[in-house]
Amino acid sequence: DQQVKQNSPSLSVQEGRISILNCDYTNSMFDYFLWYKKYPAEGPTFLISISSIKDKNEDGRFTVFLNKSAKHLSLHIVPSQPGDSAVYFCALTGANSKLTFGKGITLSVRP
Amino acid sequence: NAGVTQTPKFQVLKTGQSMTLQCAQDMNHNSMYWYRQDPGMGLRLIYYSASEGTTDKGEVPNGYNVSRLNKREFSLRLESAAPSQTSVYFCASLLGLFVGGYTFGSGTRLTVV
Repeated sequence: DQQVKQNSPSLSVQEGRISILNCDYTNSMFDYFLWYKKYPAEGPTFLISISSIKDKNEDGRFTVFLNKSAKHLSLHIVPSQPGDSAVYFCALTGANSKLTFGKGITLSVRP
Repeated sequence: NAGVTQTPKFQVLKTGQSMTLQCAQDMNHNSMYWYRQDPGMGLRLIYYSASEGTTDKGEVPNGYNVSRLNKREFSLRLESAAPSQTSVYFCASLLGLFVGGYTFGSGTRLTVV
């Protein structure tokens, strides 16, 4: 049973517009939420995170929103740039620091 | 500062052969992890080591063994490779205090024929 769901496998947006990547989870014990970005032939790299005591965290063009009651996490990228084209994974953890990853979303930003 | 280094980057094995994937980190991190990535499956945890001298199973440990040789090195061994183990393998490390997430290596692409 999937604990972390990224239901849309891909997303295509125009350069300059907003990209919204979604992630749903089932286990209320998760208390720290992260987004990773992955380019082909490279390892994932940390992008942004949020703890369960917050509902929003912003870092430049990237904002993560957390809706605990809905068990929903989203990443907003504004404005989107062609260099943002990559696979994005949401990852969740609890007290043991083991990350549980979603299947990933492939974002394509069209020039 | 190299971060997390994985060797080899590519490997082709025949069914039944054995091999060890090497991972080393130079950030003095306590915890290290092995994940595999398969198409449409995301990253799944194989084994992890919370500290030197300890190892524990993750979500998909069958067919693998690990060794935490010292604080820097965490190896993954396939004793008898199977085609189902064809995957991209990532090693990661984490500082004891959870800040900024994992640091991943660049991966080992393994094909078992």
